[in-house]
Amino acid sequence: AQKVTQAQTEISVVEKEDVTLDCVYETRDTTYYLFWYKQPPSGELVFLIRRNSFDEQNEISGRYSWNFQKSTSSFNFTITASQVVDSAVYFCALRGSGGSYIPTFGRGTSLIVHP
Amino acid sequence: GAVVSQHPSRVICKSGTSVKIECRSLDFQATTMFWYRQFPKQSLMLMATSNEGSKATYEQGVEKDKFLINHASLTLSTLTVTSAHPEDSSFYICSASTAGIYNEQFFGPGTRLTVL
Repeated sequence: AQKVTQAQTEISVVEKEDVTLDCVYETRDTTYYLFWYKQPPSGELVFLIRRNSFDEQNEISGRYSWNFQKSTSSFNFTITASQVVDSAVYFCALRGSGGSYIPTFGRGTSLIVHP
Repeated sequence: GAVVSQHPSRVICKSGTSVKIECRSLDFQATTMFWYRQFPKQSLMLMATSNEGSKATYEQGVEKDKFLINHASLTLSTLTVTSAHPEDSSFYICSASTAGIYNEQFFGPGTRLTVL
């Protein structure tokens, strides 16, 4: 069975602070994919990143960075110099390989960035 | 990237009526479409998976007679909430998946259903 845990329900920061959203996963698949999505108040899910299990390189995209640690089954997401527009719910998701292509979503972390 | 649309984006209806929500893949053929339901401040809950031309596979606890899914073509799936009640009020999100090694899912913008 697959499981994604986002222990932080809500995080509140002040603009320009750095913030890290945690994601811990469980899977028996040797090949799997990890995702992060952003869901702003409008509701639409915005794809942020996909990482496959063989690629442990950290990734940086502008103010966003991701730290994939297979040894600890974690795929954490950091926003540097947060902005008010970053306020949203962020979901981490896991999808196995082969027939188990349905993703498992974490409960989401609500990020509130205050001006 | 691939685009998935949903219509309507919002719907308000009276209790007892049926509501149809459309999900379309605009620039690709979706071999599989998924329907999710999301209650306020909760995660996405998969309701059903449908493949074009075949019956949908419903997740445990989801009433197939209540939530009718039709996947008529490779670009269109519909979800009909029959005899809607206030407890059916929710945010419904569809996603469409392409064939291929990644089976990538592309999400629609969601439909907010309010049943009075």
